[in-house]
Amino acid sequence: KNEVEQSPQNLTAQEGEFITINCSYSVGISALHWLQQHPGGGIVSLFMLSSGKKKHGRLIATINIQEKHSSLHITASHPRDSAVYICAVKNSGGSNYKLTFGKGTLLTVNP
Amino acid sequence: GAGVSQSPSNKVTEKGKDVELRCDPISGHTALYWYRQRLGQGLEFLIYFQGNSAPDKSGLPSDRFSAERTGESVSTLTIQRTQQEDSAVYLCASSRDPAETQYFGPGTRLLVL
Repeated sequence: KNEVEQSPQNLTAQEGEFITINCSYSVGISALHWLQQHPGGGIVSLFMLSSGKKKHGRLIATINIQEKHSSLHITASHPRDSAVYICAVKNSGGSNYKLTFGKGTLLTVNP
Repeated sequence: GAGVSQSPSNKVTEKGKDVELRCDPISGHTALYWYRQRLGQGLEFLIYFQGNSAPDKSGLPSDRFSAERTGESVSTLTIQRTQQEDSAVYLCASSRDPAETQYFGPGTRLLVL
């Protein structure tokens, strides 16, 4: 069973700061997802990546397959970025549809 | 186009009653997933449907939980004889195929009194 650990659990930042959220996992995967969950519960998929780096607007996600580690960066953070950020890994092999989730990082960006 | 929809958005029930939760996936999405999120916990996989293949029910926590999906359409998750520990947000997601991004519904908040 894949163990997915996120850090930090909680993060408070001032508007404009550069944010990094980390995710590590224990077993090889086929892909890693970063998800955003706003208060009220709605979940949006931000990235799905299996190697290298992806960028979308102010968000950047990187993954190091050898080290079993991924980071999500937010540049020029804004209060609307306040949300829970969840890392989820997709198994490799036969059950490659199954996601294992981290517990999430609660980000609060103050104006 | 429309996203994944779920109903009801909130459900309060008494211990011992049965509840049925509904998920309407995005049209054309062959894969459908149910997850549970208990307060303060990460999401847990419950069940996976892919087209007309046999579902993967390995995440269902007990035999009180069951789910159905007809073809590539609506799915229902049924919890029989609800217990207080069933209180959670139940999330449904769908994807065009298992390798692609999953799109999540807004969830059903279930409270068992």
